[in-house]
Amino acid sequence: AQKVTQAQTEISVVEKEDVTLDCVYETRDTTYYLFWYKQPPSGELVFLIRRNSFDEQNEISGRYSWNFQKSTSSFNFTITASQVVDSAVYFCALSEARWDNAGNMLTFGGGTRLMVKP
Amino acid sequence: DAGVIQSPRHEVTEMGQEVTLRCKPISGHDYLFWYRQTMMRGLELLIYFNNNVPIDDSGMPEDRFSAKMPNASFSTLKIQPSEPRDSAVYFCASSSEGSLLISGNTIYFGEGSWLTVV
Repeated sequence: AQKVTQAQTEISVVEKEDVTLDCVYETRDTTYYLFWYKQPPSGELVFLIRRNSFDEQNEISGRYSWNFQKSTSSFNFTITASQVVDSAVYFCALSEARWDNAGNMLTFGGGTRLMVKP
Repeated sequence: DAGVIQSPRHEVTEMGQEVTLRCKPISGHDYLFWYRQTMMRGLELLIYFNNNVPIDDSGMPEDRFSAKMPNASFSTLKIQPSEPRDSAVYFCASSSEGSLLISGNTIYFGEGSWLTVV
């Protein structure tokens, strides 16, 4: 069974602060995929990043960066110089690779609500 | 390119009424997923299809829920009869099969259907 834990239910920061959202996962598979999604107040789920289990390179995209540590089963997300528009709920998710036609179902963490105050 | 399209965006209905939620996946995607989001249970997978065939419906809460995918570009999730505890946001999502090892099959979500049963 797979499990994703986002221990921080809510984080509040002041604009321009850096903030890290934690994600810890459990899986018995050796091949799996990790995702982050953003859910702004309007409610849609927006895909941010996908990471394969065999690629531990960290990734940076503008003010966003992701730190994948297989040794600690963590896939943390950092926003640098946060902005009010970053206020949203962020979900970490895990998908195990399947070689049948079962598809890659996502298991979501509980989400972290980030509030960025001006 | 159009993303996953869901309708209606918002629905308020009375207990006992039939509710039908609709979804048009991204063109060319082989997988279609229905997720439900509630405060208590977070995001949970209800059912998913591969090439229009239901693969796993173990997440469907009870017989009042049914889902169909009559063709590659359309799916419905029906609740009959609806109950107040069905109030939630229902997300439809789609992904392509591709090569799991290379693509990781990112799942793209629609904007959700916000259902309130009174």
